[in-house]
Amino acid sequence: SQQGEEDPQALSIQEGENATMNCSYKTSINNLQWYRQNSGRGLVHLILIRSNEREKHSGRLRVTLDTSKKSSSLLITASRAADTASYFCATHHGAGNNRKLIWGLGTSLAVNP
Amino acid sequence: DGGITQSPKYLFRKEGQNVTLSCEQNLNHDAMYWYRQDPGQGLRLIYYSQIVNDFQKGDIAEGYSVSREKKESFPLTVTSAQKNPTAFYLCASSSGQYPNEQYFGPGTRLTVT
Repeated sequence: SQQGEEDPQALSIQEGENATMNCSYKTSINNLQWYRQNSGRGLVHLILIRSNEREKHSGRLRVTLDTSKKSSSLLITASRAADTASYFCATHHGAGNNRKLIWGLGTSLAVNP
Repeated sequence: DGGITQSPKYLFRKEGQNVTLSCEQNLNHDAMYWYRQDPGQGLRLIYYSQIVNDFQKGDIAEGYSVSREKKESFPLTVTSAQKNPTAFYLCASSSGQYPNEQYFGPGTRLTVT
């Protein structure tokens, strides 16, 4: 399997509920980034968490990072229909000329009104 | 408004023809990137450029070419050597060195028949 694997692949919830998506990776990282993509559009950067950080908040978003388990979670609280999108994690690893950003396959979130 | 523009949004070509996708940014970013996205897949890096007149191959550069003659522009040519060119192409930029937080354009959907 590859770096930055998200689960679940698809998630369907009701408006107002919380949505949690997970991302796992295999090798050490410099930072981990979450992006959102609405259907047929470009990606939008949501949040970046560095390897020495454990938790970060931005509005209704909460990201945690557990480097011992090589995993991260994205929590969207009080979801809205407008949150319907695909969510991708991207892991930044390496140094110097070997820096890379590896993308996961994404979690497709559907928020039903 | 600052941002990244890609044109056209949809592009149709016959097999055997080269086609050039446009990407322009007015964010004053040094680094620019081209990604390919196929259904159900994460993003795959085609080429990136960290400075004018310099660019590096990504993970799937075969059958593609780029130029970076101006800071604002990073066009991608899909050549006839690319065996499976039909895909969604995304351009991105970042202010720091690769692979910092990235800003994406709206994408170009290329269909080759």
